[in-house]
Amino acid sequence: AQSVTQLGSHVSVSEGALVLLRCNYSSSVPPYLFWYVQYPNQGLQLLLKYTSAATLVKGINGFEAEFKKSETSFHLTKPSAHMRDAAEYFCAVSDRGTSGTYKYIFGTGTRLKVLA
Amino acid sequence: SQTIHQWPATLVQPVGSPLSLECTVEGTSNPNLYWYRQAAGRGLQLLFYSVGIGQISSEVPQNLSASRPQDRQFILSSKKLLLSDSGFYLCAWSVFRHPVEKLFFGSGTQLSVL
Repeated sequence: AQSVTQLGSHVSVSEGALVLLRCNYSSSVPPYLFWYVQYPNQGLQLLLKYTSAATLVKGINGFEAEFKKSETSFHLTKPSAHMRDAAEYFCAVSDRGTSGTYKYIFGTGTRLKVLA
Repeated sequence: SQTIHQWPATLVQPVGSPLSLECTVEGTSNPNLYWYRQAAGRGLQLLFYSVGIGQISSEVPQNLSASRPQDRQFILSSKKLLLSDSGFYLCAWSVFRHPVEKLFFGSGTQLSVL
């Protein structure tokens, strides 16, 4: 079964600094990977997804992620943090489920704090 | 356009009481539906998913059950709540049966079992 591991449950950065949120995957087949963001008391929104078309994936709000097979990683980055980036971020992988559909397995999340 | 409704937004229930959370999707047919629970420090845990009416797949054996009585309705239930059932419950849906499908999430229900 597929799984993802997020290193660091809390990350703090200064406004304007680089954001790096880590995600490693475990998969017996080529994985399909996702990053979602959750603002307080809300559902999750998709930031970006890796579909094997390109190893560097650009998403919304200036975020991007790079798929590295040799490191089994899919880390999320943003060159310059904004206060509005403060949220919880989840890495996810799709896994084959029953009845021909797919289920989505999420990591434990990383809460990003942006300091003024 | 498609929308997802989830209610109630917050719920406080005593231990041993029943539970019913409802999720409905509008603007699409035959969606894949999911229930997730988010507990502090444990991330987002997949509880159930469904590909059609009456078809429920369970991921975690526990005190909860799910049903899909109509195409766009997904219900999470419990006969007797436990303290450990507290958490933020999220309903989600996707359109196609493809591994790179985007999930659309509802706004969640904060359940506190006291």
